[in-house]
Amino acid sequence: TQLLEQSPQFLSIQEGENLTVYCNSSSVFSSLQWYRQEPGEGPVLLVTVVTGGEVKKLKRLTFQFGDARKDSSLHITAAQPGDTGLYLCAGPNTGGFKTIFGAGTRLFVKA
Amino acid sequence: GAVVSQHPSWVICKSGTSVKIECRSLDFQATTMFWYRQFPKQSLMLMATSNEGSKATYEQGVEKDKFLINHASLTLSTLTVTSAHPEDSSFYICSATRSRLASSYEQYFGPGTRLTVT
Repeated sequence: TQLLEQSPQFLSIQEGENLTVYCNSSSVFSSLQWYRQEPGEGPVLLVTVVTGGEVKKLKRLTFQFGDARKDSSLHITAAQPGDTGLYLCAGPNTGGFKTIFGAGTRLFVKA
Repeated sequence: GAVVSQHPSWVICKSGTSVKIECRSLDFQATTMFWYRQFPKQSLMLMATSNEGSKATYEQGVEKDKFLINHASLTLSTLTVTSAHPEDSSFYICSATRSRLASSYEQYFGPGTRLTVT
């Protein structure tokens, strides 16, 4: 069974701090996606990483896909209260007919 | 863009009644739509996969007779919760894709529907 494990589960930091969220698996994924979800809303796609070792930047967010395509990380620089939310990593299962989601990392950035 | 809408955004119903939730892809044709359920402070749980013109594929443990899914067109899928009970109260989210293969697309999520059964 393919699983995606996210850590930490919960993170509370002060505005301006940096943080890294991890998404790990023992399985190889053809791609991984990162979503952010705010309370009472659906997840919003942030990025898709496809190539092992790939690094993508989205303003203050940096996403990395592991060389073996079994893990990914999300690094936020100088976090802001607007970054508060649930961060989910996800990837297609073997055969690609459905998406597997991690349990999520709940981030709270205090002003 | 790739916009997905859901209606209603929230609904309160009495135990024993049925509730229909609509999921629409507004600016693209969705060959596949997914229905998820999310409990407070938890991740998304896939309920079923819906392909246009064919029967939905339900995940293990999801009662197909209780959660009726219809994907009649490339832009609309509906989830009907029949004979709702308080334990069905949850946040229901749909997503849509342009392809039948999860590996070749990205999912676009609706804003969710909060169902409360009293």
